[in-house]
Amino acid sequence: SAVISQKPSRDICQRGTSLTIQCQVDSQVTMMFWYRQQPGQSLTLIATANQGSEATYESGFVIDKFPISRPNLTFSTLTVSNMSPEDSSIYLCSVLGGSMHEQFFGPGTRLTVL
Amino acid sequence: DAKTTQPPSMDCAEGRAANLPCNHSTISGNEYVYWYRQIHSQGPQYIIHGLKNNETNEMASLIITEDRKSSTLILPHATLRDTAVYYCIVRVQYQFYFGTGTSLTVIP
Repeated sequence: SAVISQKPSRDICQRGTSLTIQCQVDSQVTMMFWYRQQPGQSLTLIATANQGSEATYESGFVIDKFPISRPNLTFSTLTVSNMSPEDSSIYLCSVLGGSMHEQFFGPGTRLTVL
Repeated sequence: DAKTTQPPSMDCAEGRAANLPCNHSTISGNEYVYWYRQIHSQGPQYIIHGLKNNETNEMASLIITEDRKSSTLILPHATLRDTAVYYCIVRVQYQFYFGTGTSLTVIP
């Protein structure tokens, strides 16, 4: 298993600003993922972040809006840029475990944009 | 495009089996089906996964139809703590694509 922490756990931000969310894992992992969960909705995959390469974004998500860093095998950041109220969501990071079958999720960052 | 479809909600009596269906009619031959659940907006928790054969673990059983176009998650003896949103997921390579989820309420 993997233990994942995220910072901040929640934040309230003003329209037009940016927020960087941190994801820390207690072990080295190759693949990390970022998801968005809008209020009352399911999880939507934003991007896959591999160390040493650029993140791969899903349809509907772009690097200018959601830049991602992956400086090492235990850490990643997701920035939500130029925020609008529509960006209000829970943002979750996850990692693929050693068996390459199970994904472990962080507790999420609850973002509210006013 | 959604890769899975699930009923939005279900009820189950405590102690009875909960059977949660999922349709994944466009699944490819090498794509796995996973089930996760999410309680009170916590991070999703793994339940079970399968490719072709039925699977069972300490939490649940997964029944996959022979054509692989649908599956059913079975919680054999539902408890109040099983009240959660259950997600059926198709895995494409290393990416997980969540369905809309079924909100299961276990009734005393």
